Amino acid sequence: ETGVTQTPRHLVMGMTNKKSLKCEQHLGHNAMYWYKQSAKKPLELMFVYSLEERVENNSVPSRFSPECPNSSHLFLHLHTLQPEDSALYLCASSQISGYNEQFFGPGTRLTVL
Amino acid sequence: RKEVEQDPGPFNVPEGATVAFNCTYSNSASQSFFWYRQDCRKEPKLLMSVYSSGNEDGRFTAQLNRASQYISLLIRDSKLSDSATYLCVVNDQDSNYQLIWGAGTKLIIKP
Repeated sequence: ETGVTQTPRHLVMGMTNKKSLKCEQHLGHNAMYWYKQSAKKPLELMFVYSLEERVENNSVPSRFSPECPNSSHLFLHLHTLQPEDSALYLCASSQISGYNEQFFGPGTRLTVL
Repeated sequence: RKEVEQDPGPFNVPEGATVAFNCTYSNSASQSFFWYRQDCRKEPKLLMSVYSSGNEDGRFTAQLNRASQYISLLIRDSKLSDSATYLCVVNDQDSNYQLIWGAGTKLIIKP
């Protein structure tokens, strides 16, 4: 596979469930990102990992917990979510040098009931 | 507050026409600029990086005006497949990682 892949593509969960989103990049990049995109809003950066260390955490509630076991994989662990957390969750990767162009996976469309 | 502002549209344009979008940014120290396109319910895809001298890729031309702090995207001979939302993106000069995203301009090309 090439590029950035994400699983699952769709997820419906109740507020008491625990689930995880997975992202894998095949581009040899050294930074990975989680974004949230709600309808008609700009992308919101949630977390950034550079060389497997978390470098940004934009005031995200603790019910979202990221994990980056290596430079190619990124997880977002979800627990006790709220209906307002329903959104498209996008993973991206980039090479931190120069222009820092980011490349995205197809996203996970999450619905919290 | 750091911002990137775009006209949300929609721009309704006949096939074959030329269309242009502008986007303004608030941080004069920004160094990296991009246009992404996003199709409905899909991920953003990098369309063009925007360089100081301006750049062209086929029917697409991007320009940067630092003095007025805006970026433009020109699409010539528009195709039905150009229908999408176009996102203007600027780097956050206070971070090595963060990009500041506009909310997008929706373009609809009509036959």
